[in-house]
Amino acid sequence: EDQVTQSPEALRLQEGESSSLNCSYTVSGLRGLFWYRQDPGKGPEFLFTLYSAGEEKEKERLKATLTKKESFLHITAPKPEDSATYLCAVQATNRDDKIIFGKGTRLHILP
Amino acid sequence: ETGVTQTPRHLVMGMTNKKSLKCEQHLGHNAMYWYKQSAKKPLELMFVYSLEERVENNSVPSRFSPECPNSSHLFLHLHTLQPEDSALYLCASSQDGYSGEQFFGPGTRLTVL
Repeated sequence: EDQVTQSPEALRLQEGESSSLNCSYTVSGLRGLFWYRQDPGKGPEFLFTLYSAGEEKEKERLKATLTKKESFLHITAPKPEDSATYLCAVQATNRDDKIIFGKGTRLHILP
Repeated sequence: ETGVTQTPRHLVMGMTNKKSLKCEQHLGHNAMYWYKQSAKKPLELMFVYSLEERVENNSVPSRFSPECPNSSHLFLHLHTLQPEDSALYLCASSQDGYSGEQFFGPGTRLTVL
């Protein structure tokens, strides 16, 4: 069964303390992996698309990487405004291009 | 207006009421989506419309009825809902059908009493 699992469920960091969020996936064929950011009371905001193992994308303090089984969202020297829930989604080729979301990681950056 | 807008932002309804959620996208996209977001659960895709044609209906109960009159507007008609239907309902759009690069609205927070 196709699955997307995100860990940890929640993460508290001090401002400036770098860390990584994990998204592991199980699909027979990967069309794309997507990262979103969701602030409380708002809809998700698209961040990155990754298509193949070895690919990396960067945006400000965020860098997303992809392997054949998982993706990491690296956060370098985070600031309080980086606090949000980060969602990972996978689009599978073997399920009529269905998009499956993970439950997300709640990130809280302490000043 | 820019992006994806949703109205109302909050809705409280009784189990016997009929109400509708509205979504409008100002991005010139061809596909629109309805999602349900509940606490501690992943986003659940409910319906997908591509070029105004429904291409996905994820075993959603018939008390939820979508309508897509054109590529910019999407409605979700609600009737005889249950308390467990209380959730955040999100609308999204994408350039083409079934893309993972979606633009979301702010959602409608629905409470069913």
